Amino acid sequence: EAQVTQNPRYLITVTGKKLTVTCSQNMNHEYMSWYRQDPGLGLRQIYYSMNVEVTDKGDVPEGYKVSRKEKRNFPLILESPSPNQTSLYFCASSLSRGGTYEQYFGPGTRLTVT
Amino acid sequence: AQSVTQLDSQVPVFEEAPVELRCNYSSSVSVYLFWYVQYPNQGLQLLLKYLSGSTLVKGINGFEAEFNKSQTSFHLRKPSVHISDTAEYFCAVTPVHNTDKLIFGTGTRLQVFP
Repeated sequence: EAQVTQNPRYLITVTGKKLTVTCSQNMNHEYMSWYRQDPGLGLRQIYYSMNVEVTDKGDVPEGYKVSRKEKRNFPLILESPSPNQTSLYFCASSLSRGGTYEQYFGPGTRLTVT
Repeated sequence: AQSVTQLDSQVPVFEEAPVELRCNYSSSVSVYLFWYVQYPNQGLQLLLKYLSGSTLVKGINGFEAEFNKSQTSFHLRKPSVHISDTAEYFCAVTPVHNTDKLIFGTGTRLQVFP
């Protein structure tokens, strides 16, 4: 089954404790992206990747890091999480450039930073 | 820069009634337009998209949207809703010259009552 998977689905952590949210797709997609969803703000793009070893900042990249060492994986790293990073995070992938092709979304990761 | 406005944060409607979810955008350049749907506790999935051609676009589950360039709108419509249409709906745009970035509106929660 074609899908985007994220782990973990739920995470509660404390301020400053490094964490990684994994994202993997099995569709051989070139493009991958991370979003955060907050009430009243919709989805905002954090980082995106056009292909292996090619990443760029979205609209809200502060406090986040990403890497794309393999085509299928695109982990999101929070080196020192803070409470304002409490949010619902979505990973997405598409065949090629993000806008013209349908983006396939993962189920989401709900992160709480205390 | 681009922005997307979804004026209605919530739209309550009875089953089998028609519905329109409004979306307006602002952009100094040409854009592609999308509607995504998010069912409870799930990721987003594409409903429909406008890239070019006919301004009336038909999507999945009986939804359609009309692109109006002069009014910079892309309203979503369905002539008769079902309980299963209860979800959050997001309008999004991407500039034609830079399709790596997808800009979302804040979402409209459609609640269908029996």
